[in-house]
Amino acid sequence: GNSVTQMEGPVTLSEEAFLTINCTYTATGYPSLFWYVQYPGEGLQLLLKATKADDKGSNKGFEATYRKETTSFHLEKGSVQVSDSAVYFCALSPKTSYDKVIFGPGTSLSVIP
Amino acid sequence: KAGVTQTPRYLIKTRGQQVTLSCSPISGHRSVSWYQQTPGQGLQFLFEYFSETQRNKGNFPGRFSGRQFSNSRSEMNVSTLELGDSALYLCASSLRDGSFSTDTQYFGPGTRLTVL
Repeated sequence: GNSVTQMEGPVTLSEEAFLTINCTYTATGYPSLFWYVQYPGEGLQLLLKATKADDKGSNKGFEATYRKETTSFHLEKGSVQVSDSAVYFCALSPKTSYDKVIFGPGTSLSVIP
Repeated sequence: KAGVTQTPRYLIKTRGQQVTLSCSPISGHRSVSWYQQTPGQGLQFLFEYFSETQRNKGNFPGRFSGRQFSNSRSEMNVSTLELGDSALYLCASSLRDGSFSTDTQYFGPGTRLTVL
């Protein structure tokens, strides 16, 4: 079946450090891939997405590239800020809308000044 | 467009009681999914409704049920509450009509349920 694996953290970085959160997936066909972010006390919100191989999603300085050959969708940011402290979820939406969306366990990120 | 709304935002119940949570999706969205989020188990899928039909179901006991109305609003019900049901319950709406451009889920702020 479909699954998502991501590093669970917690991850603690200093401000302006480089961020990588690894995400790999298992799926039949070519699903859409997502990164969602959850700030304290809020629901999840879409950070970025990619719908086909080699697509790069980007938003607010975050980037992730859909790598079919390595079944990965790693999240990166060149210089994190304190305001990026949140929980990040990798997710996949299967090719058919009749299958459920799969979320990873989430990675907690704390950025310290 | 208004976002996904969930009511109530906070709820306190005692063991053995039942509870009903409500979710109003973004206008035009026919898919509504429910998730349970706890510190220990993370984000767990409960069920998805599409056009009033349950399309997918997670691995939860029968005490957890849901439904969707013709206006796409959805409710979930938990009967015979247990302490372990304390969690943040998130609702997400989407078009999810088969096109890749419509499969983004939009989440509400959640309902925080505490069972005493």
